[in-house]
This record gives sequence, structure tokens and C-alpha cells, in this order.
Amino acid sequence: DIQMTQSPSSLSASVGDRVTITCQASQDINIYLNWYQQKPGKAPKLLIYDASNLETGVPSRFSGSGSGTDFTFTISTLQPEDIATYYCQQYDNLPLTFGGGTKVEIK
Amino acid sequence: QVQLQQWGAGLLKPSETLSLTCAVYGGSFSGYYWSWIRQSPGKGLEWIGEINHGGSTNYNPSLKSRLTISVDTSKNQFSLKLSSVTAADTAVYYCARGYIYYVPAVYSYYFDYWGQGTLVTVSS
Repeated sequence: DIQMTQSPSSLSASVGDRVTITCQASQDINIYLNWYQQKPGKAPKLLIYDASNLETGVPSRFSGSGSGTDFTFTISTLQPEDIATYYCQQYDNLPLTFGGGTKVEIK
Repeated sequence: QVQLQQWGAGLLKPSETLSLTCAVYGGSFSGYYWSWIRQSPGKGLEWIGEINHGGSTNYNPSLKSRLTISVDTSKNQFSLKLSSVTAADTAVYYCARGYIYYVPAVYSYYFDYWGQGTLVTVSS
């Protein structure tokens, strides 16, 4: 299985801050990576697909980059409604696997 | 608007079989892979397996020996059965639509619609 390692596991930032989350794959996965946002008690929501493509309707303050084994997810200007846990997910190989998540809180 | 609605028993005893069904409303049922994903309390997400409208399945090897995913295209539904459950199978179970696009040099696969989740607790 491809292991996905996210860091940090949690972070605290102020409204308006730039937030960056990294995701590292245990092997080369090209750009075959998605990012999801999950709020408490809710199902995950797709934000970014193919490493850098913004899903329709998702605010442009969210972005993704990377290829191979190293990926980055960025919130350019943190908003109160962005409080959630964020997950990366690879689809290069089955079984599909997710990162451990990054919990984003407001300072 | 696509909606996934899931249901099934929420409390099981060890060794029983977990059974969940997901109904798909709106949109096409064919042309997608339909997945089950679970999330243990306070933990991350684990992909369980998937099925397409033709009945072709892919399973997570960690669960394969206990797992059956089936489809009923007449009702636009797919189901999950996980046998011989233990406390380690306690989790919120989600159904999800997998959008797959593949042409030479272009490949996308992501979950764009999800069910509401079902908490399944295994306890004696």
C-alpha cells in the first residue's frame, strides 16, 4: 500500500494567515492526489483534484501543488469557516489511501 | 443534484455481519465507481472497496476476506457486507461516488459526492 504522511497533524493560525499543509507519498504517485475538507459530523468534501485543480464552487483561497512524492495544500487567507480537518488521498494505486489528516484551528 | 442516502444497522455484536445500503438519487448510476469508506472514532479515513454498475469490484486487501460489495442497478443502489465484525470495525461508514476519467496521459479519480455517514458500533 502507498503510505500518505501529512504534516503537521494539527495547527493553530489566526484569521487572515497563510496556512500550508504538506503530504508525502511513500512512492512516486505522479499528480494523482486529491485534497478533502472535513468538518465535525460531516462527510469529507472535495477541494482539490489532480494535485492542483480546484473543484467547482470551491473558493480560490484554496490551492494545491506538487508531483511525485511531495505535495502542498495552501489556504492563502484563513477564514473562520475553514476550521476543519484536511486530508490528502492518492489514487495512483489500489488500495486508495488517505493521509492521517491535519486539524486546522483558529488561534 | 446527486444525493447519496445510506442506511443499515448501527449496533452489532462481535462475529455478526455488518450490512449497509446506499441509494443514489439524481445523475447517472453508470460510468462511476461506487465506494465504501470508513472512519474510526477520532481517526482518519480508510477506503474499503468499490463497485461499478456492471458489478466489477475492487477491495482493500486488509478486508477482502470478510467483504462483499454488491450492486442493484434496478434501484440505483449498492451495498456493503462485512462479516465477522469485531470492535476494530467500529466506525462511521460512508458511501461515495468515485468519478474516474482516463484517457492516455490524463487520469483523474476523486470522490465528489458522499453519503451522510452511518455510525456502526460493535459491542457485546
